[in-house]
Amino acid sequence: NAGVMQNPRHLVRRRGQEARLRCSPMKGHSHVYWYRQLPEEGLKFMVYLQKENIIDESGMPKERFSAEFPKEGPSILRIQQVVRGDSAAYFCASSPLVQETQYFGPGTRLLVL
Amino acid sequence: GENVEQHPSTLSVQEGDSAVIKCTYSDSASNYFPWYKQELGKGPQLIIDIRSNVGEKKDQRIAVTLNKTAKHFSLHITETQPEDSAVYFCAASMDPGNTGKLIFGQGTTLQVKP
Repeated sequence: NAGVMQNPRHLVRRRGQEARLRCSPMKGHSHVYWYRQLPEEGLKFMVYLQKENIIDESGMPKERFSAEFPKEGPSILRIQQVVRGDSAAYFCASSPLVQETQYFGPGTRLLVL
Repeated sequence: GENVEQHPSTLSVQEGDSAVIKCTYSDSASNYFPWYKQELGKGPQLIIDIRSNVGEKKDQRIAVTLNKTAKHFSLHITETQPEDSAVYFCAASMDPGNTGKLIFGQGTTLQVKP
């Protein structure tokens, strides 16, 4: 039973480029959460999605960031026109039901040059 | 707004000693409190969790206690081993909208000296 998968594990982008981060939840899990971890800090909630629906995006920056979880395929976190301040580790977590245990993936470490 | 405070930020113990990490939360509506262990370069791994209808939970060398009145919860690790060295995060689910998002503490770096 594979865990939460994230790819790529490391991503380097130059300022102004786009970053696409992918997350495949655990089998049977239809709830996906994205969190961001800045260096030496805790995790900050960004967005919560169910299949084809954004439920809570209260932690997402208003501009340049978007997320989706299509009916088929992984959840995608998209960052347009990246800036150096976007450099961080982005973690995806999945759960089988809302307010059930969240299982985290290995993360994508984004570096913006 | 919602807030979770975690102390200490660093903790160093001798192998075999106990380690205690404490967290406080602000929203009395919180009802779910997980603890995660994060090793360098990896994602957080759930080690134990507790819900607000329970005061204590134990799993081998790890225990969590919850005081709803004081709004704090603690992680206890007994008989620490070098492989327990990692960053530990507490979290609380404190969303009235019931979306389950977690609010994390700032983390505690635990070092177990052999």
